[in-house]
Amino acid sequence: SYELTQPLSVSVALGQTARITCGGNNIGSKNVHWYQQKPGQAPVLVIYRDSNRPSGIPERFSGSNSGNTATLTISRAQAGDEADYYCQVWDSSTAGVFGTGTKVTVL
Amino acid sequence: QVQLQESGPGLVKPSETLSLTCTVSGGSISSYYWSWIRQPAGKGLEWIGRIYTSGSTNYNPSLKSRVTMSVDTSKNQFSLKLSSVTAADTAVYYCARLSAALGWFDPWGQGTLVTVSS
Repeated sequence: SYELTQPLSVSVALGQTARITCGGNNIGSKNVHWYQQKPGQAPVLVIYRDSNRPSGIPERFSGSNSGNTATLTISRAQAGDEADYYCQVWDSSTAGVFGTGTKVTVL
Repeated sequence: QVQLQESGPGLVKPSETLSLTCTVSGGSISSYYWSWIRQPAGKGLEWIGRIYTSGSTNYNPSLKSRVTMSVDTSKNQFSLKLSSVTAADTAVYYCARLSAALGWFDPWGQGTLVTVSS
């Protein structure tokens, strides 16, 4: 089965840039979607199809995908960006797969 | 805008069947794929399966033998049944809409905690 690997945690200083990676075999050939989950809340879509932002998501959130790594970038990080972030793809057998999740801390 | 709401028992006994329903409001359930996703406390997200409004389904291979999903378009609802549950099935269960067969999940329901315990 297809696996997605994310760092357990990422720390970023207030106002700086955080990069969250999502590793998978030839993930660049797949569409990657990213979700933000704050404590006690349901996940919220922040990036779809590698680099597209849904309406209402700040421009500070951006995404890229190439080779074996997809990346979610949070620019000018704010305290409100503290959350868990998950990447997601569909594998070749049409099963949904989520990454292991990354906890982002804003210092 | 479309909203989803999970409902069902919060406590299920081991070896019994977990049953949940997701009610869709603010839009039609037709012509979309719908999914169930779960999350044990302190852990990551696990995709359970998806159903199209025609009734066509795909399930997570690790759960396939125990999962059944159904849809009732007249009630704008879809449902999940998970049989032979154990403590490992204790989790928050979310329902969500899929943008397309291989798309993204948006929106999500608020989630409902199901505990498996005698």
